[in-house]
Amino acid sequence: EIVLTQSPAVLSLSPGETATLSCRASETIGNNVVWYQQKPGQAPRLLIYDTSNRATGVPARFSGSGSQTGFALTISGLATEDFAIYYCQQRRFWPLTFGGGTKVELK
Amino acid sequence: EVQLLESGGGLVQPGGSLRLSCVASGFVFKNHAMNWVRQAPGKGPEWVSGINNGAANTYYADSVKGRFAISRDTSTNTLFLHMNNVRVGDTAVYYCARVHSDYYQTNGPLEFWGQGTLVTVSS
Repeated sequence: EIVLTQSPAVLSLSPGETATLSCRASETIGNNVVWYQQKPGQAPRLLIYDTSNRATGVPARFSGSGSQTGFALTISGLATEDFAIYYCQQRRFWPLTFGGGTKVELK
Repeated sequence: EVQLLESGGGLVQPGGSLRLSCVASGFVFKNHAMNWVRQAPGKGPEWVSGINNGAANTYYADSVKGRFAISRDTSTNTLFLHMNNVRVGDTAVYYCARVHSDYYQTNGPLEFWGQGTLVTVSS
């Protein structure tokens, strides 16, 4: 199965700063990576699909990039509501797999 | 408004069985592939199973293959997960999730999620 490695595990930043989250795949997965945001006690929320497409209602400060095995989620100008855990997921091969997550916390 | 409402979770002994349900509303259920994703306490999400819109194709994680079965009932707009021979490692919040409306494939992005139902496997 495809293993997704997210880094860093924790990112400590202040509001207004830029967050760059990395997701590396064990094999090439084209552009089929998805990003989710999860807050405590809530279900994951779709943010970005197929590398760079923002889901409905997602602010423009969220952007995705990358291809094949290396992907990134960038949050330009962190808002207070962006402090959460972010997961990448690959949908190219069965079984679908998720990364271990990056927690973006308030510095 | 799309809504997914899971139920059926609870405490079950190892080796026991449980059936989870997910009632869908706010969209044409028969047109969308659906998936189950679980999340153990303090861990990241883990995909469990998926089913296409017509129920002809089903997919399973290796960890549940042969023990769990996914199904759907278009007449009641309900997705099911039949869980047999459960293990302690199956303890998690189970979410049902609908594939993004732009994708017919079962492995499409998961656009809408329910609030989850907690399954605890313990003696």
